[in-house]
Amino acid sequence: NAGVTQTPKFQVLKTGQSMTLQCAQDMNHEYMSWYRQDPGMGLRLIHYSVGAGITDQGEVPNGYNVSRSTTEDFPLRLLSAAPSQTSVYFCASSYQGNSPLHFGNGTRLTVT
Amino acid sequence: GNSVTQMEGPVTLSEEAFLTINCTYTATGYPSLFWYVQYPGEGLQLLLKATKADDKGSNKGFEATYRKETTSFHLEKGSVQVSDSAVYFCALSRRDDKIIFGKGTRLHILP
Repeated sequence: NAGVTQTPKFQVLKTGQSMTLQCAQDMNHEYMSWYRQDPGMGLRLIHYSVGAGITDQGEVPNGYNVSRSTTEDFPLRLLSAAPSQTSVYFCASSYQGNSPLHFGNGTRLTVT
Repeated sequence: GNSVTQMEGPVTLSEEAFLTINCTYTATGYPSLFWYVQYPGEGLQLLLKATKADDKGSNKGFEATYRKETTSFHLEKGSVQVSDSAVYFCALSRRDDKIIFGKGTRLHILP
């Protein structure tokens, strides 16, 4: 039981490049979400999903896309990276919306 | 909409001091309430939770009571240790809805 697995751990991009942050969970959780964490800003919700085929926007969705084709995977796509997207990104999942979240170890992204 | 407000940090205490980190919330219905902790260089992990009014969550010496009349879920510990130094997040959630976090409170314990 690996829990929530995020890859990569570190990534450096140039402005305008695109990439996908991977997130997978093996706990059969319905709820999955992506957060970014910036100094002094706490956690800000980017996108979330309450089940396969269902996604919705959080508080800072611009510049990011998600899809949920399977229960296990919830990739986050950066369409055209900007320096403002430099941050630490966390994927998290839970059995359902009001259950405790399980977090991945994070991806530290730098956009130059 | 739903929201969580927690006290600004950083909070600096000496070892064995009493800790309170305030958290208040705004929500419709009856949300579940959580405290998460983030140790340096790690992701967040659940510290404790409460799912209904007057429930008390507890773990590792930390406690918090779900107070619906004051819409609060304050975190307390009677005697903190250096190893409690971390960032603490209050959160609320409702079934089939997004989970809302406070901005976090950094706690620093001096030996």
